[in-house]
Amino acid sequence: GAGVSQSPSNKVTEKGKDVELRCDPISGHTALYWYRQSLGQGLEFLIYFQGNSAPDKSGLPSDRFSAERTGGSVSTLTIQRTQQEDSAVYLCASSFTDPSTDTQYFGPGTRLTVL
Amino acid sequence: SQKIEQNSEALNIQEGKTATLTCNYTNYSPAYLQWYRQDPGRGPVFLLLIRENEKEKRKERLKVTFDTTLKQSLFHITASQPADSATYLCALDIGTGRRALTFGSGTRLQVQP
Repeated sequence: GAGVSQSPSNKVTEKGKDVELRCDPISGHTALYWYRQSLGQGLEFLIYFQGNSAPDKSGLPSDRFSAERTGGSVSTLTIQRTQQEDSAVYLCASSFTDPSTDTQYFGPGTRLTVL
Repeated sequence: SQKIEQNSEALNIQEGKTATLTCNYTNYSPAYLQWYRQDPGRGPVFLLLIRENEKEKRKERLKVTFDTTLKQSLFHITASQPADSATYLCALDIGTGRRALTFGSGTRLQVQP
């Protein structure tokens, strides 16, 4: 079956604009994660959804960042009033159950460039 | 502070040799540790998971060790090939209630033909 997909693959925006990034997880995966990866850096955790539980938002860097997951499937990461430091690759991953014991499957990422 | 350390310098080895990558962590007591491979422009791909009660795990040419006393995991690729060239990331559950993995910054491996 299809893997995790993300759209758009690239997004260039002007400082101050809002952006929406989309993630389609693997069907049946209950857990969904958003990470951010800056050039040459490791993955920075942003937010985690598990089933119908309240999401773990502890990694969101500011209140300009928010995410939703509709119907336990598709997720949208929204960044409001983008800043240049938001430029990074935003990666989405999904897994079937507990991330500590199960493989995380990553999408190809969305490269965000804020001018 | 809690952190995960991987050698930020690229590791260059000759084809056929064994590559050994290191992942050190401090102030965590993870129940699991995972290794991922990341190619340029792509998301990470899962390779191996090792549990705290496992000293070693193997998969084809890959071997991972996990020493909870030293707080270190070693990742070995035997008979390395140019196709093994990539960045390798270790990740672990830091057990603070957050259920997502915490990743190291990765080590880039370059296998020369």
